[in-house]
Amino acid sequence: QVVLTQSPSASASLGASVKLTCTLSSGHSRYAIAWHQQQPEKGPRFLMKLNSDGGHNKGAGISDRFSGSSSGAERYLTISSLQSDDEADYYCQTWGTGIRVFGGGTKLTVL
Amino acid sequence: HLQLQESGPGLVKTSETLSITCTVSGGSIRNNSYNWGWIRQPPGKGLEWIGSIYYTGTTYYNPSLKSRVTISLDTSKNQVSLKLSSVTAADTAVYYCARDEVLTGLFDCWGQGTLATVSS
Repeated sequence: QVVLTQSPSASASLGASVKLTCTLSSGHSRYAIAWHQQQPEKGPRFLMKLNSDGGHNKGAGISDRFSGSSSGAERYLTISSLQSDDEADYYCQTWGTGIRVFGGGTKLTVL
Repeated sequence: HLQLQESGPGLVKTSETLSITCTVSGGSIRNNSYNWGWIRQPPGKGLEWIGSIYYTGTTYYNPSLKSRVTISLDTSKNQVSLKLSSVTAADTAVYYCARDEVLTGLFDCWGQGTLATVSS
């Protein structure tokens, strides 16, 4: 079964960029994923679908500051020009036939 | 504009059955492009998929919860329901419903969630 691994925490300064990583388990490097953002005390929000070739489709209203890329089994979420309300938990998610899987999440702190 | 709103009892006693309803507005649960999923989040922890249901009634459950979970649809009310039996304190969590794309499996629209606390 596919497993998604994320670093528990990340930090970056206001106005800077940050790159978050989601790693697919061995044998699953071609899987697409989704990125979701969860701001404090809120429900998650879909950010984008990210394919193995780096192509991505963002959800409605998602800022151009959010972008995705891929390399092998790694899937990345880059946030540029960090703002205070980007401070949130970020989850990657993937799927198979009859199954849905989440990574453990990365807590992003904006300094 | 699709909206999902969860509603539940708030407090459930140990060993009883937790029941939560998701009311969908701005779209039909009979849309054949989507499943409807349930995800939960224990306090301070990450997201865990519970299961999903297609408009035909076909269900997919997390193997770790399968023996205790039932997901169903009420198409007349445009609602999706979750029942979790024999609950313990470990089932205390915020429960979310979300729309689940059939072709991919990603969740593209989420509700705000409802907290269910299990206590004796």
